[in-house]
Parts: sequence; structure tokens; C-alpha cells
Amino acid sequence: QQPVQSPQAVILREGEDAVINCSSSKALYSVHWYRQKHGEAPVFLMILLKGGEQKGHEKISASFNEKKQQSSLYLTASQLSYSGTYFCGTRGQAGNTPLVFGKGTRLSVIA
Amino acid sequence: KAGVTQTPRYLIKTRGQQVTLSCSPISGHRSVSWYQQTPGQGLQFLFEYFSETQRNKGNFPGRFSGRQFSNSRSEMNVSTLELGDSALYLCASSTGLAGGPQETQYFGPGTRLLVL
Repeated sequence: QQPVQSPQAVILREGEDAVINCSSSKALYSVHWYRQKHGEAPVFLMILLKGGEQKGHEKISASFNEKKQQSSLYLTASQLSYSGTYFCGTRGQAGNTPLVFGKGTRLSVIA
Repeated sequence: KAGVTQTPRYLIKTRGQQVTLSCSPISGHRSVSWYQQTPGQGLQFLFEYFSETQRNKGNFPGRFSGRQFSNSRSEMNVSTLELGDSALYLCASSTGLAGGPQETQYFGPGTRLLVL
């Protein structure tokens, strides 16, 4: 089942912060975050496993709330290079389940 | 290490024709997944192959099929093309060895298919 991402789109000025949410109605074991720039392939950012961990990647971090089956991606002090579409992918608890992606959140950072 | 490669990068076909897309995974990766990407729909899962066997299948009609070869290269085929099949088709590879939720996928650049 496809996870739900919110918001669908967001516009930021350089230096502002943003939060992108990803939720599922099914039990999750992992959440994978990707960023895709226009005309390019999605690029892997980070993976979070069940256990409520939080990870960071430069000024981009994420959390995974296992009880709520929700993950949030935090972008702080945004830069122009952060522009793109962010996708969350989720896998269920059963073994060898496919990675199912949300519809994406389009982030535009302007000067 | 070379990344995931896909050929061709662009393709124009007419309705009713069939098409075959190719994907070469990262060296050592044994799992290949295919996705269809259209505006507003995100990445729709098509199927996943591991060691020449289809491991998972998405909710697409039988016109969409795929296979994987012994060298892990994969092809997907779409028969009797429809206008709605116009999309970016992405291939992603992973080791497949963990066989579980922590498997990370790496995407190729995609094949953009236009059906007229």
C-alpha cells in the first residue's frame, strides 16, 4: 500500500526549514528517503529501521515513529541545492516485500 | 563502481507496438526492481527480480512483463502499448542478500517512453 506524503509541495527561501511527512496505514519495518532532481534518477538519502531511530545527513535528518507508522524528514537551513522531489519508500514487516513509494513532495528553494 | 545503467534512454513508439527496456545493475547486485514514474503518481512498483526469479509483482496488467538473466541484467517488456504507458521507467538494484527491509536500492537514470 502506497505511503502518504505531505505536503505535496513546498516553497522555501534559502535558510528556512522544512518538514516532510510520510505515513502508512500498514505496519512498517523501514523507511527509505530519496531525492530526485528534475531529469535525474532518485538518489538515496537515508534509511530508518523500526525502533524510532533518528538519522542525520549534513543538514538533513529524519525520524521514524514506529507506533504511528510515520516518518518525518527535516531539512534545516535549506540551500538551493535541496530543491527537488523527495520520496519516501516503505517496506512492511514481512520478508522480501517490495519498496513502495509515496507520490513525492516537491521542494523548491528560492534565493 | 559503475552505477545502474539503462538503455535506451529515450524511446518513441506508437499504440499497439511492443517495447523492451534493458537494465544493468551495479556489479555484485542480484536484485533488480522496476518502477513506472508518471507526473502526480510517484513511483509505481512494477516487479522485482532476484537470481532470475520474480520475487514481487505490482498491480499492473499482464502486458507488463520482465525477466532477469544469469548475469543479473534485467529486461522489461510492454506489449500492445497504450497512450497511458507513456512514462519514465526506472530500474533499481540492490544486493538482494539481506533480503529484508534494510535493503537499499540504487536507481538508474531511467528510460523515457513516449507512446503516440
